[in-house]
Amino acid sequence: AQKVTQAQTEISVVEKEDVTLDCVYETRDTTYYLFWYKQPPSGELVFLIRRNSFDEQNEISGRYSWNFQKSTSSFNFTITASQVVDSAVYFCALSEAQMDSSYKLIFGSGTRLLVRP
Amino acid sequence: NAGVTQTPKFRILKIGQSMTLQCTQDMNHNYMYWYRQDPGMGLKLIYYSVGAGITDKGEVPNGYNVSRSTTEDFPLRLELAAPSQTSVYFCASSYQTGMGHIQPLHFGNGTRLTVT
Repeated sequence: AQKVTQAQTEISVVEKEDVTLDCVYETRDTTYYLFWYKQPPSGELVFLIRRNSFDEQNEISGRYSWNFQKSTSSFNFTITASQVVDSAVYFCALSEAQMDSSYKLIFGSGTRLLVRP
Repeated sequence: NAGVTQTPKFRILKIGQSMTLQCTQDMNHNYMYWYRQDPGMGLKLIYYSVGAGITDKGEVPNGYNVSRSTTEDFPLRLELAAPSQTSVYFCASSYQTGMGHIQPLHFGNGTRLTVT
């Protein structure tokens, strides 16, 4: 079965430090999608990025960047010059194809990031 | 667009009681999901649906039931509530394009349920 591993349970950094959140996945699908979500202390789940298995280009969005490497089954997320507002739990998720061509999303256990002033 | 709306926001149940968590979306998404998030943990899939009249089990379906009679609504039923069902429940919706591309999940704001 598909699996998403976020080995870092909690990370604490000082503001302006760079931080990388790791995501390693296992899948038997040849086509799949990976996602990152942010859950701030208020509790809602905010979509950050989607990547499909055909597109290994890294992506940068402001202070956020993502590194997708199929060879190592990893989809890591880096925050540059972290800010206190980045404090949240971050989830990595993987699509799992079903026999009827539908899919479901499997989430990792999350990484809690604390950015201290 | 309201997006995905969940009600109630909070609920306290006694052991053995039953209740229905409501979820509705106005984006005409065919996929809908129920996840639970235990304190300090990740999201576990309870049930999902790929369209009206079709539902399927996720990772942790025991103790729950769902139905999908319309595209918009996907209620989650708890029968005989147990303390182990204390959690935050998230409903989400999504769709797949004609080319098969999977779109991100849109989440509701969650229902915090306590069973005592």
